[in-house]
Amino acid sequence: EDKVVQSPLSLVVHEGDTVTLNCSYEVTNFRSLLWYKQEKKAPTFLFMLTSSGIEKKSGRLSSILDKKELFSILNITATQTGDSAVYLCAVGGAQKLVFGQGTRLTINP
Amino acid sequence: GAVVSQHPSRVICKSGTSVKIECRSLDFQATTMFWYRQFPKQSLMLMATSNEGSKATYEQGVEKDKFLINHASLTLSTLTVTSAHPEDSSFYICSARGLAGDNEQFFGPGTRLTVL
Repeated sequence: EDKVVQSPLSLVVHEGDTVTLNCSYEVTNFRSLLWYKQEKKAPTFLFMLTSSGIEKKSGRLSSILDKKELFSILNITATQTGDSAVYLCAVGGAQKLVFGQGTRLTINP
Repeated sequence: GAVVSQHPSRVICKSGTSVKIECRSLDFQATTMFWYRQFPKQSLMLMATSNEGSKATYEQGVEKDKFLINHASLTLSTLTVTSAHPEDSSFYICSARGLAGDNEQFFGPGTRLTVL
């Protein structure tokens, strides 16, 4: 059965700290790994990773995929209170996405 | 980026009534649409996958007679919750995928259903 596991499930840090969120997976017919940010409504897209070792960057956020170890990390540097959200990792197989449980990130001022 | 809309954003209904939720891709043709539900503080649970013009594929444990899905065009899919009960109260989210073989899904804003 396809499985995506995120850790930690919950994280509380101070503004300005750097955080690393983890995502490991076991999926048949892997095609891509996606990161989403979810605040009060539906998830918003952050990154899609398909190749190992190539870092994707967007401002203070970056992500990288290791297809050998079946693992991805999402880094957020110089965190701000607006980064508080649930971060979802999803892995795409042949047809559908399998979502992890999410990491609830809280940034305290 | 691609835009997906959902309507209504919030609905409150009495037990036993049916509720229809619409999902539209506004600026692209969605060959496949997905319906998820999400309970508080939990992740997204895929309910069904629908391809335009064909019957939806339901995930294990999801009653197809309870959750009717119609994907009549490349820009519109509907989910009807029939004879809704309080345990159907949840956040329902649709997503749409454009190109076949591309995993990226664009999510609608979600519909919060409360059944009294």
